[in-house]
Amino acid sequence: DVKVTQSSRYLVKRTGEKVFLECVQDMDHENMFWYRQDPGLGLRLIYFSYDVKMKEKGDIPEGYSVSREKKERFSLILESASTNQTSMYLCASSSGTRGYGYTFGSGTRLTVV
Amino acid sequence: AQSVSQHNHHVILSEAASLELGCNYSYGGTVNLFWYVQYPGQHLQLLLKYFSGDPLVKGIKGFEAEFIKSKFSFNLRKPSVQWSDTAEYFCAVNAGQAGTALIFGKGTTLSVSS
Repeated sequence: DVKVTQSSRYLVKRTGEKVFLECVQDMDHENMFWYRQDPGLGLRLIYFSYDVKMKEKGDIPEGYSVSREKKERFSLILESASTNQTSMYLCASSSGTRGYGYTFGSGTRLTVV
Repeated sequence: AQSVSQHNHHVILSEAASLELGCNYSYGGTVNLFWYVQYPGQHLQLLLKYFSGDPLVKGIKGFEAEFIKSKFSFNLRKPSVQWSDTAEYFCAVNAGQAGTALIFGKGTTLSVSS
């Protein structure tokens, strides 16, 4: 069964900490994405990558960075966590250009205290 | 920049009622359109998609959607909802070219009472 695996289901961090959210896919997909999901705001795109070492800013990149050193792994980094980054973070991957094969991970619920 | 608007934040229906959820997008070029569903506690799942061709597309679980290019709309419909359709529904769009990401609407919560 193909999947996108996010390393943590729940995470609690302190304000100012550097936080790493890891995502691994086993489908050899070129494209990987990070979204955050908040009630009433839907899914908002933070960053995406369509190739190793490539990255593109999404709609809300401020306060985040990403790393894609290997095709299967896409990391989201919160440089200095703040309470307004408390959210559900979703990783997804896809192959090709059409978004047809988006597969989502189960999400990481991050709480910043 | 692309954007997606979903008109209803929360819809409450009784079982067997008909459903229509509105979705409009803003992008002038070729687009791919999607509806995703998220059941409580579960992953996002693809309901249906439109790339080209017949503007009326059918998806899983009896859902369908109609693409009306002149109205930039892609509304989701189901003739008769069931209690198990209780979920959050997201419309999404991406431009039909390489290296673009899905942009999602804010979602519509559907509550179906039995």
